Amino acid sequence: AQKVTQAQTEISVVEKEDVTLDCVYETRDTTYYLFWYKQPPSGELVFLIRRNSFDEQNEISGRYSWNFQKSTSSFNFTITASQVVDSAVYFCALYMNYGGSQGNLIFGKGTKLSVKP
Amino acid sequence: DGGITQSPKYLFRKEGQNVTLSCEQNLNHDAMYWYRQDPGQGLRLIYYSQIVNDFQKGDIAEGYSVSREKKESFPLTVTSAQKNPTAFYLCASQNLKGQAGLYFGPGTRLTVT
Repeated sequence: AQKVTQAQTEISVVEKEDVTLDCVYETRDTTYYLFWYKQPPSGELVFLIRRNSFDEQNEISGRYSWNFQKSTSSFNFTITASQVVDSAVYFCALYMNYGGSQGNLIFGKGTKLSVKP
Repeated sequence: DGGITQSPKYLFRKEGQNVTLSCEQNLNHDAMYWYRQDPGQGLRLIYYSQIVNDFQKGDIAEGYSVSREKKESFPLTVTSAQKNPTAFYLCASQNLKGQAGLYFGPGTRLTVT
């Protein structure tokens, strides 16, 4: 079965602290995609990153970085020097190769990040 | 600007009434999706459509119906058969050729009393 687990329900940090959001996934497919989305209080989901299963290279985008490790089925997200504007719910999601998955994007339950000034 | 629009942002209905949520995209995306979000939960798939005049049930389709008469539009009807319709509904679209991420609209918060 396909599943995404975000074990951290809520995290609270003080501005400028680094914070890592964990994501562990389960799938038997060899071809899949992993995503991170940000949901600010307004509700809209903002696409942050997509990573395919054949690309384990870590990625950095400004203060954001992602660590993909197939050996542990994890796709963790780190925010460096957090800011109040980073406060949101963050979702990790798994998408299987389209032909076999019926087009479903499976979400974790999200991690609510609160960054205090 | 290209994007996905959902209207209205807030919707209130009395129990027993059907209600239709609008979703329009001008991204020329092939696929469109409807998700439901409940407090403290991830998103759950209601329906999706890969091409015009075709759609598939997701994990929680009971009590909902959709249509896809145009590529740009994928309205969702919440029927009176849906036991717990109060939720936040998100529409998304995807360019299947590029296998990019799903892009989401701003959502509609439906409250049924």
